[in-house]
Amino acid sequence: DGGITQSPKYLFRKEGQNVTLSCEQNLNHDAMYWYRQDPGQGLRLIYYSQIVNDFQKGDIAEGYSVSREKKESFPLTVTSAQKNPTAFYLCASSLRGPYNEQFFGPGTRLTVL
Amino acid sequence: AQKVTQAQTEISVVEKEDVTLDCVYETRDTTYYLFWYKQPPSGELVFLIRRNSFDEQNEISGRYSWNFQKSTSSFNFTITASQVVDSAVYFCALRIAGANSKLTFGKGITLSVRP
Repeated sequence: DGGITQSPKYLFRKEGQNVTLSCEQNLNHDAMYWYRQDPGQGLRLIYYSQIVNDFQKGDIAEGYSVSREKKESFPLTVTSAQKNPTAFYLCASSLRGPYNEQFFGPGTRLTVL
Repeated sequence: AQKVTQAQTEISVVEKEDVTLDCVYETRDTTYYLFWYKQPPSGELVFLIRRNSFDEQNEISGRYSWNFQKSTSSFNFTITASQVVDSAVYFCALRIAGANSKLTFGKGITLSVRP
């Protein structure tokens, strides 16, 4: 089945450790996105990529890094510089163009202890 | 800058009631796209509808209907005869035309449908 895979569903890390969240899609979409969701908040854009080997910062990129070496994959690294990393992280993909809807993965809930 | 306001934070209804979820947006652009997404307890956002700024025709899909009014910058969503399975968080979102534009989300409305 076509879709977006995020793993793991739940992730626990100690403070000060970097952690990488996986996002894979087999929808043949050019564009991919990472969002952060906090309780009672909408989704906030962290990074996005319109094409392989290119990505742009979103609204809250500080403390995060990404790579886009393959069309299917867009991993997100939460670094120790992120002051409040505990959150629900959602990955999405879409065809290029602002009129296209984004398809979302199941999300990863990161808890930093 | 774009902004989406979902003033209702939580709504609770009894099954079979009708419920309307409000969405008000702000943008100076004339070409833009509005979206509604549903986030069930599982967490994954599910796309419901897209509307472009030049199409004010209302849409009905089963028990769901959407009312787009440019005059009031609103894109409201009505669920008729609500069901327990409709319980979720609903997000309204806006994206302007442009290659590097971003999707701006409202804060979401938590809908609880009680049996």
